[in-house]
Amino acid sequence: AQSVTQLDSHVSVSEGTPVLLRCNYSSSYSPSLFWYVQHPNKGLQLLLKYTSAATLVKGINGFEAEFKKSETSFHLTKPSAHMSDAAEYFCVVKGAGNMLTFGGGTRLMVKP
Amino acid sequence: DTGVSQNPRHKITKRGQNVTFRCDPISEHNRLYWYRQTLGQGPEFLTYFQNEAQLEKSRLLSDRFSAERPKGSFSTLEIQRTEQGDSAMYLCASSLWTDYGYTFGSGTRLTVV
Repeated sequence: AQSVTQLDSHVSVSEGTPVLLRCNYSSSYSPSLFWYVQHPNKGLQLLLKYTSAATLVKGINGFEAEFKKSETSFHLTKPSAHMSDAAEYFCVVKGAGNMLTFGGGTRLMVKP
Repeated sequence: DTGVSQNPRHKITKRGQNVTFRCDPISEHNRLYWYRQTLGQGPEFLTYFQNEAQLEKSRLLSDRFSAERPKGSFSTLEIQRTEQGDSAMYLCASSLWTDYGYTFGSGTRLTVV
C-alpha cells in the first residue's frame, strides 16, 4: 500500500521569494515520485519525477525536488516565485503497480 | 501529436440518466488510465488498461461504471443511472510501457442535477 501526505493545503508567498511545498510519502516498495501542477481549468502537467536515479531532481519552470529516503520526504522547491506559479500542486507516488496515488494538493498563492 | 484528448469538456445531466465520456490517448501509448477528481481533492484511481485489456479496477468503480478500450486505442467510460455523488472531473491519462511519465487530458467535468 502507498500513501501521500501534503503537509500544507495552502501556501502563500510573495513574488520573488522562495517556494517550499512539503510532501511525505509511504510505500512498501521503492517508489517513483512525481510532482504535478494543475492550473485552473487546465489538465495536470508533470513538473518532475524521481525514479531511483539522482536524489535531487530538476523539473520545468525552475522547480526541483529532493528525495530523502530517511525522512520519506519529497519536498518541492523553487528559488524565486513568479505570479504564473500560482496553481494547485500535487505530490504523487507510484508503487509496485500501475496506480498513481495523489496527495490532497497544495494551493500556491503568489502575492505581487 | 496533440496529447490526450477528452470529450466532452463539460456534461450536465439529470439524475438517473446515463452518460458516456471518451478519451483519445497519445497514439503510441499502450497504457490508459481513468481517474476521478472531486472539488478540493486529489485525483483518485478508477481503472487501468494495457492495450485493450482492463487490468485493474478500483473499489470506487461501482457496478454503475463501465470502461472499455475495444481496439487498444480510444477508451470510453460510461456511468449508468447517474447520482449527484458522481459529479466530479473525470481525468484520462496515458503512458508507454517503460515510461513513468503519465500524460493527462484536460478532463470531463460532470455535473449531475
